[in-house]
Amino acid sequence: DVKVTQSSRYLVKRTGEKVFLECVQDMDHENMFWYRQDPGLGLRLIYFSYDVKMKEKGDIPEGYSVSREKKERFSLILESASTNQTSMYLCASRDRGQETQYFGPGTRLLVL
Amino acid sequence: AQSVAQPEDQVNVAEGNPLTVKCTYSVSGNPYLFWYVQYPNRGLQFLLKYITGDNLVKGSYGFEAEFNKSQTSFHLKKPSALVSDSALYFCAVRDSVRYNQGGKLIFGQGTELSVKP
Repeated sequence: DVKVTQSSRYLVKRTGEKVFLECVQDMDHENMFWYRQDPGLGLRLIYFSYDVKMKEKGDIPEGYSVSREKKERFSLILESASTNQTSMYLCASRDRGQETQYFGPGTRLLVL
Repeated sequence: AQSVAQPEDQVNVAEGNPLTVKCTYSVSGNPYLFWYVQYPNRGLQFLLKYITGDNLVKGSYGFEAEFNKSQTSFHLKKPSALVSDSALYFCAVRDSVRYNQGGKLIFGQGTELSVKP
């Protein structure tokens, strides 16, 4: 089974802090994704990566950056956290040539 | 513009009754369609997908979905609902315009399914 893990289930941060969210997948997938989930809005793509050191902006990249130094790990960085970044963050991975994305358990971030 | 719509925020069903969670889509070209389920405080779990072939797709936990090209719909169904089916359900379509962008999915806003005993 594909396993996607995220470093924290819950995080509480202060406005202005730099926040790192980590995601690791164990199936050697090329593609990895970061989404945020908000009630009534579904999931919105922040960034994705199709290979090591490669990244592309999604629909809502403002205020976020990403890092992919190793194939199995994809990090989401909030350079200076703001209250409007309070949300559920979901990581996903997908094998090249396959259609299904596999999701991690999510990180619920609260920015005070 | 490509989009997915789930017209119902919430669906309430009695246990043992059939359930339907609705989804309509708008894409250019042939759609790749998905259903995911999210249990409380959990990530999304893949249920089923339609890529091509038979319009009736069977998935996990007894769920199935019917692809209807003329109505641009992909409704999720189950013949007999269980209390444990209570969860948040998302319909998604693969972005066919930016096909090379890693297989981006466009999600609906989600439908909360509540199954009462």
